Amino acid sequence: DTGVSQNPRHKITKRGQNVTFRCDPISEHNRLYWYRQTLGQGPEFLTYFQNEAQLEKSRLLSDRFSAERPKGSFSTLEIQRTEQGDSAMYLCASSLSHSTDTQYFGPGTRLTVL
Amino acid sequence: AQSVTQPDIHITVSEGASLELRCNYSYGATPYLFWYVQSPGQGLQLLLKYFSGDTLVQGIKGFEAEFKRSQSSFNLRKPSVHWSDAAEYFCAVGDSSASKIIFGSGTRLSIRP
Repeated sequence: DTGVSQNPRHKITKRGQNVTFRCDPISEHNRLYWYRQTLGQGPEFLTYFQNEAQLEKSRLLSDRFSAERPKGSFSTLEIQRTEQGDSAMYLCASSLSHSTDTQYFGPGTRLTVL
Repeated sequence: AQSVTQPDIHITVSEGASLELRCNYSYGATPYLFWYVQSPGQGLQLLLKYFSGDTLVQGIKGFEAEFKRSQSSFNLRKPSVHWSDAAEYFCAVGDSSASKIIFGSGTRLSIRP
């Protein structure tokens, strides 16, 4: 399978714990995006990378959230001191570099904070 | 600021009937417009996109959409729906850099046998 993959698919954690998600983009894609989707809503943009550079961050990305893409390949999204409001589906997408290139989405990681 | 409105939260149509899902956007310049579909347990899949040129865009699975600048709309249509079309549909708008996409809240499509 050469699509975008995300791990884990599901994560249940207790409030206050830290969690980390991983995204592996399509291999030749330079851009990588993170979105968050809550129940009954469309995805909301969090941040994106061009190769290893993080070029834009949404105001939704509080100080407890950090994303990295150290070698311009896979990316991780870490949430520190999780809160119940962090419960959501976290989606990763990747694309080539041109502005008209399609963003391909992974299946997402569903986070439940108890 | 960019925004997308999908006024219909849930639509039910009979199998074989035609479909139109509404989408209105707000964007100052010429927008990049998208329709994505999300089935349970599946990732978002792009149905079609509009960047420029012909305002009637053909997509996958027999879907099409028409960009109407005067109405700030980008409605999705299909002449005859199949039971497998039941899913959540999202309209979205991006800027010229396409660094991010702004999604609407979605329309859930149910198919009546």
